[in-house]
Amino acid sequence: AIQLTQYPSSLSASVGDRVTIACRASQDINNDLAWYQQKPGTAPKVLIHDASSLESGVPSRFSGSGSGTDFTLTISSLQPEDFATYYCQQFNSYPLDFGQGTRLEIK
Amino acid sequence: EVHLVESGGGLVQPGGSLRLSCAASGFTFSSYAMSWVRQAPGKGLEWVSAISGSGSSTYFADSLKGRFTISRDNSKNTLYLHINSLRAEDTAVYHCAKSHMYSYYMDVWGKGTTVTVSS
Repeated sequence: AIQLTQYPSSLSASVGDRVTIACRASQDINNDLAWYQQKPGTAPKVLIHDASSLESGVPSRFSGSGSGTDFTLTISSLQPEDFATYYCQQFNSYPLDFGQGTRLEIK
Repeated sequence: EVHLVESGGGLVQPGGSLRLSCAASGFTFSSYAMSWVRQAPGKGLEWVSAISGSGSSTYFADSLKGRFTISRDNSKNTLYLHINSLRAEDTAVYHCAKSHMYSYYMDVWGKGTTVTVSS
């Protein structure tokens, strides 16, 4: 199985900050990576797919980059509604495991 | 509008079994792979299982093989997850999710159904 290591596990930031979350795969997954946002008590929501493609309706302050084994999610200017937990997921091969998650908190 | 609604969760004793359902609407159900993802209280997302659009191919998390069965009834637009020999560690919210047609990320999620395993 492909292992995903996501870091940091938690992050404190302020409104307006630029933040980056990383995800490393244990083997080459091309660009078969998605990023999800989850707020407490709600279902996850896809933000980025195919490593860098913005899902329809997602604000442009979210962006993704990377290919192969190293990927990043960047939020260019944090908004109050962005404080949530973020997960990466690979869909290159089964099992479609997730990273451990990054909890983004208000500083 | 694409919609997924899970049901079938509840309080179950250890060793018991349960069948979860996911009713789909707003898309051609048989054309898309579907998955189950669970989240234990205070924990991260755990992918559980997936099934192809036709139902001919199924996939499971390595740690869950044997106790979980995934199936679908395309005539009823419904996805199922059957869990046997339930354990306390199966306590979680179980979400169903639709895969994108070409890239298998999960583009639509249900709100989930809660399974609690306790005596």
